[in-house]
Amino acid sequence: AQSVTQLGSHVSVSEGALVLLRCNYSSSVPPYLFWYVQYPNQGLQLLLKYTTGATLVKGINGFEAEFKKSETSFHLTKPSAHMSDAAEYFCAVSGAGGTSYGKLTFGQGTILTVHP
Amino acid sequence: DAGVTQSPTHLIKTRGQHVTLRCSPISGHKSVSWYQQVLGQGPQFIFQYYEKEERGRGNFPDRFSARQFPNYSSELNVNALLLGDSALYLCASSPRTVQNIEAFFGQGTRLTVV
Repeated sequence: AQSVTQLGSHVSVSEGALVLLRCNYSSSVPPYLFWYVQYPNQGLQLLLKYTTGATLVKGINGFEAEFKKSETSFHLTKPSAHMSDAAEYFCAVSGAGGTSYGKLTFGQGTILTVHP
Repeated sequence: DAGVTQSPTHLIKTRGQHVTLRCSPISGHKSVSWYQQVLGQGPQFIFQYYEKEERGRGNFPDRFSARQFPNYSSELNVNALLLGDSALYLCASSPRTVQNIEAFFGQGTRLTVV
């Protein structure tokens, strides 16, 4: 079984400030981890993914995330927030094999607000 | 290249009716998955199809069914609609190879049940 917990349903930052969105996961098999962004009335766009290899992964729009197995975490960061980053962000986990392969389990989402 | 396309974009149905949602995957992708996103929540997995076979089913009642066609497009069917079925229904396609299970999402179909 897999689950994802996103700490903080709403995060507010000032433009230019650090963005930190927290994600913890539970998985009975080696996980693949993803961050998606969703703008209002749109589908999901992949920001970045971790499958194997380097634990620090870089994504689009200046975002990055670090896979920490010992902490079962995959937090998303961006050094300097931009107004266009305002959206809802979802962390997701998929199993690296077995029946959960390719099936995404999502967290509840974190709405990021960026203030001028 | 065309992305994942879903139709219709919006739909209003009455309780008890049936609905069919359609999805065309990215060319070359053989896997299609369906997700339900209720307002204020994360998407929940409904079905996954790969090479026209069901490869996974989420915790949804039998009123929900799906199929995948030889061209890899897919339909999601929901019978006996309930008010609680109102949601954004997302389709995702994926190569679903050992090297790549990245899912690409469509814009979704917004279903409102009244």
